[in-house]
Amino acid sequence: GAVVSQHPSRVICKSGTSVKIECRSLDFQATTMFWYRQFPKKSLMLMATSNEGSKATYEQGVEKDKFLINHASLTLSTLTVTSAHPEDSSFYICSAFPGGGTIGDPLHFGNGTRLTVT
Amino acid sequence: GDSVTQMEGPVTLSEEAFLTINCTYTATGYPSLFWYVQYPGEGLQLLLKATKADDKGSNKGFEATYRKETTSFHLEKGSVQVSDSAVYFCALNTGTASKLTFGTGTRLQVTL
Repeated sequence: GAVVSQHPSRVICKSGTSVKIECRSLDFQATTMFWYRQFPKKSLMLMATSNEGSKATYEQGVEKDKFLINHASLTLSTLTVTSAHPEDSSFYICSAFPGGGTIGDPLHFGNGTRLTVT
Repeated sequence: GDSVTQMEGPVTLSEEAFLTINCTYTATGYPSLFWYVQYPGEGLQLLLKATKADDKGSNKGFEATYRKETTSFHLEKGSVQVSDSAVYFCALNTGTASKLTFGTGTRLQVTL
């Protein structure tokens, strides 16, 4: 149980185009999802917290107009990288808490999306 | 703010060697502590967790004990296998369903 599905796993796009990444909780409802970005050989950087039915909360330094997050249902959050540039190339990972909100509930992660902007 | 410090990698070990990956933390309140593992090209998988002082998390031969006095959560395994080669992340959160703060990750390479 507690599966988080992320799609696509890999995407290559041209500079200036937009790319949408989907994150689904397959067997649980997630009012909150988190989007992380991972640079090569680096740790995970939290980009934003996605809240169902409301605006996402972005971390400092993350451009909200560039990384659009929509959490339209309890099982789906999307991240759209708008007007992508080569420096946006990275590994993007979504995550969610399947539990009802208990201390120590682990975060479950999707398998990530490798974005390459040419 | 909350932070997690992990030992620098990469760590290269021969199969059946003993593994220790150090992790220390600073946090407000009483954090829950986690170890996640990332295999090449994949997302993160929870390896083990501990939610209060002196708790020991264990899974697949890996163990880590929540040490409040030293603010540490070191990962250990008595005999590593080639299949354990991956990047290991120490992480914490405070409160329920809150975001995780990660360490920088430690790459483990196990050779025959």
